[in-house]
Amino acid sequence: DSGVTQTPKHLITATGQRVTLRCSPRSGDLSVYWYQQSLDQGLQFLIQYYNGEERAKGNILERFSAQQFPDLHSELNLSSLELGDSALYFCASSLTDMGGDSPLHFGNGTRLTVT
Amino acid sequence: AQSVTQPDIHITVSEGASLELRCNYSYGATPYLFWYVQSPGQGLQLLLKYFSGDTLVQGIKGFEAEFKRSQSSFNLRKPSVHWSDAAEYFCAVPGGADGLTFGKGTHLIIQP
Repeated sequence: DSGVTQTPKHLITATGQRVTLRCSPRSGDLSVYWYQQSLDQGLQFLIQYYNGEERAKGNILERFSAQQFPDLHSELNLSSLELGDSALYFCASSLTDMGGDSPLHFGNGTRLTVT
Repeated sequence: AQSVTQPDIHITVSEGASLELRCNYSYGATPYLFWYVQSPGQGLQLLLKYFSGDTLVQGIKGFEAEFKRSQSSFNLRKPSVHWSDAAEYFCAVPGGADGLTFGKGTHLIIQP
């Protein structure tokens, strides 16, 4: 058990809808990272937060947004969903805000299916 | 920009045989290097990491990896695989504040 909790495990929704994915980091970790995993793109970094502040943005679409709350949990909001957004979305946490200093601990992911 | 390449998309190994998964990196400085494993339906789990020092790194589940600067490689090895080792394996380097940059992964199939 990594200590990172993601909910829900599965999400099925229709095109054009909006969903929210939730992540609780491992106890003591201040950084939260969001990744998207699909068959064709592999693991793609989306966004990182450290202690409530956005630190880095990767290949995140404008339709997607995220935030980290004072209790350090994070939410990833996906709107105007398209079929191509179907993927596994992972949250990871680490102690520091630099991926090289401390390992990332991953949740089990949320599988999003857009129909 | 730092990157990793995993040349093998699929590897099939017989149970009990030895395993080597390849990883080549491109990194400006002395790299930190990681291997992660993803079992079906699971998130990624850290197998081992190299920061500095001894170039042969021991990890969990009987895995080891050797850092070879001259070859820009960090190959993962296991002397005898078990059916439970069937999974997706990812090599990674730091992406700065981006967390980690992952390779495309190698899918390991274990034959009985």
